[in-house]
Amino acid sequence: ETGVTQTPRHLVMGMTNKKSLKCEQHLGHNAMYWYKQSAKKPLELMFVYNFKEQTENNSVPSRFSPECPNSSHLFLHLHTLQPEDSALYLCASSQGEYSYNEQFFGPGTRLTVL
Amino acid sequence: AQSVTQLDSQVPVFEEAPVELRCNYSSSVSVYLFWYVQYPNQGLQLLLKYLSGSTLVKGINGFEAEFNKSQTSFHLRKPSVHISDTAEYFCAVRGDFGNEKLTFGTGTRLTIIP
Repeated sequence: ETGVTQTPRHLVMGMTNKKSLKCEQHLGHNAMYWYKQSAKKPLELMFVYNFKEQTENNSVPSRFSPECPNSSHLFLHLHTLQPEDSALYLCASSQGEYSYNEQFFGPGTRLTVL
Repeated sequence: AQSVTQLDSQVPVFEEAPVELRCNYSSSVSVYLFWYVQYPNQGLQLLLKYLSGSTLVKGINGFEAEFNKSQTSFHLRKPSVHISDTAEYFCAVRGDFGNEKLTFGTGTRLTIIP
């Protein structure tokens, strides 16, 4: 595997379910990000981790819970979501938090909340 | 705070014709500018970036962009497009000194007409 991988690629869940999104980067980076991409809206930064420590929570509702066990893995735990949470969730990594260098993005998880 | 405006949500262009995708930003501090491309069912990929120096920046796949500080613009251009350029294009800005996070525009969908 190379780059940034995300699983699953598609997820359908009910409002009472609990599920998790997984992101893994194979680039040796130390910063990882979760973004939400909704139609017709700019990408929304949700969380930032730098060397496994959360450095930013962009006023995200508590039904989204991130976890970063090491610099290569990032999870987003989901519970009691709302239909408006349906979106594409993108993971990214970079060498250094908010680096001048590019953020490398995964392909995303398309989430549908029924 | 900084913001990015991509006025054109959709741009149809005939194959081999030139294209310009517009991006305007607002920021009260120094800015660093990026263009990302998102192909169908994929994550975002960096096309090019402006950090400093020459205002004309060349990127991958024959794209280039010009940083115009007086007009606060960073338009993306390609002299001759191909079918494979069909994708969504995002302009992003990051600042400095407390404004480091990437702020994205809403995106421009480029459709190439054979």
